[in-house]
Amino acid sequence: GQQLNQSPQSMFIQEGEDVSMNCTSSSIFNTWLWYKQDPGEGPVLLIALYKAGELTSNGRLTAQFGITRKDSFLNISASIPSDVGIYFCAGRSTSGTYKYIFGTGTRLKVLA
Amino acid sequence: GAGVSQSPSNKVTEKGKDVELRCDPISGHTALYWYRQRLGQGLEFLIYFQGNSAPDKSGLPSDRFSAERTGESVSTLTIQRTQQEDSAVYLCASRVGHLDFYEQYFGPGTRLTVT
Repeated sequence: GQQLNQSPQSMFIQEGEDVSMNCTSSSIFNTWLWYKQDPGEGPVLLIALYKAGELTSNGRLTAQFGITRKDSFLNISASIPSDVGIYFCAGRSTSGTYKYIFGTGTRLKVLA
Repeated sequence: GAGVSQSPSNKVTEKGKDVELRCDPISGHTALYWYRQRLGQGLEFLIYFQGNSAPDKSGLPSDRFSAERTGESVSTLTIQRTQQEDSAVYLCASRVGHLDFYEQYFGPGTRLTVT
């Protein structure tokens, strides 16, 4: 099935560092979403973006909807051990359906 | 319960057998999604139900896969003649409605292993 390109695939960082990850698509999206998935659980929504250029924050998390509508970025500031998990982007295309395409995931490990 | 529930949580089956996976959405949620997540990979869209509209089946990988939903309640995903490549976690999600700003709430998934 179709998936978005997400990078990096995985990253190890020190506690307190900032983290950046991004997601790109070959087609235009109307909506970008960022999720976090912990082991054995379903993804949980972190941030939703609905307009090109939009910048939205949720605590230490900030995400942006790329101006070309083909990409999105997620930043985590001052990482803590509980930030460990898999982060997924997801997008809804302009095709008119409410089908969401998910990225390949970024695995984050935080070293205390 | 308040969240999306799925059953069974784990299923081991022999190649060639049929399996049924169940999803109980949050009460009142009109939209329901099924996704497949292979080990170490992202979520792959399978099918989407919205109220009484025809479902979007564009993600079903083959005619061995089918899903049903009765009204705005329980959904079952059926995989016939299972193959080893069907091994994955199958996730269900529900939403209040079909508009963008309604969040998808995910269940914990059913881990399917085909031996």
